[in-house]
Amino acid sequence: QVQLVESGGGVVQPGRSLRLSCAASGFIFSNFGMHWVRQAPGKGLEWVAVIWHDDTDRYYADSVKGRFTISRDNSKNMMWLQMNSLRGEDTAIYYCVRWGNDRALDVWGQGTTVTVFS
Amino acid sequence: DIVMTQTPLSSPVTLGQPASISCRSSQRLVHEDGNTFLSWLHQRPGQPPRLLIYKISNRFSGVPDRFSGSGAETDFTLKISRVEAEDVGIYYCMQATQFPWTFGQGTKVEIK
Repeated sequence: QVQLVESGGGVVQPGRSLRLSCAASGFIFSNFGMHWVRQAPGKGLEWVAVIWHDDTDRYYADSVKGRFTISRDNSKNMMWLQMNSLRGEDTAIYYCVRWGNDRALDVWGQGTTVTVFS
Repeated sequence: DIVMTQTPLSSPVTLGQPASISCRSSQRLVHEDGNTFLSWLHQRPGQPPRLLIYKISNRFSGVPDRFSGSGAETDFTLKISRVEAEDVGIYYCMQATQFPWTFGQGTKVEIK
């Protein structure tokens, strides 16, 4: 079945780095753009970043631009989010999400939790 | 950035009764290709969100037909014709017409 599994979350001090991974299965990964969406504790959803299916383009939210880098390897069905210079406001559940037809976020992973605190 | 504003933020409903959530965008959501990329998502407690509706009114695979979406330009509505217990949770509208994609604040639906 179509599945996205995130990993790599954890507790980290401000200013440090973390790398999140997303493993895709059950569909042709190279045909789909992919997103990261996050949700701070008790808060709503915030779009973070997108990468095109063929890695020809990437976009970032202003809140993470210059600190986070999205990447993918279609041969491995994997996507990553490299998070540098982490701040307290980056504390959230990070979801890996598929960019489906008609710009719909149609498949969501279970999420991985990132906590930034000193 | 396009701001998405939902009302109400909380909606106590009676089982079997209808419910309606409004979503207003700060700019027209009509893309240059003519499509309007407005989606609705539902998040149950402790679960990731799931897609309900895309392009204003298209139900995603497996979504019951008691859910319907409507609207145009800047004003959109999600309706549940008869609320069931499994419909509790938070509903989000989301625009995918322009980056950064943005979400509404969420509307919490709970049973009276």
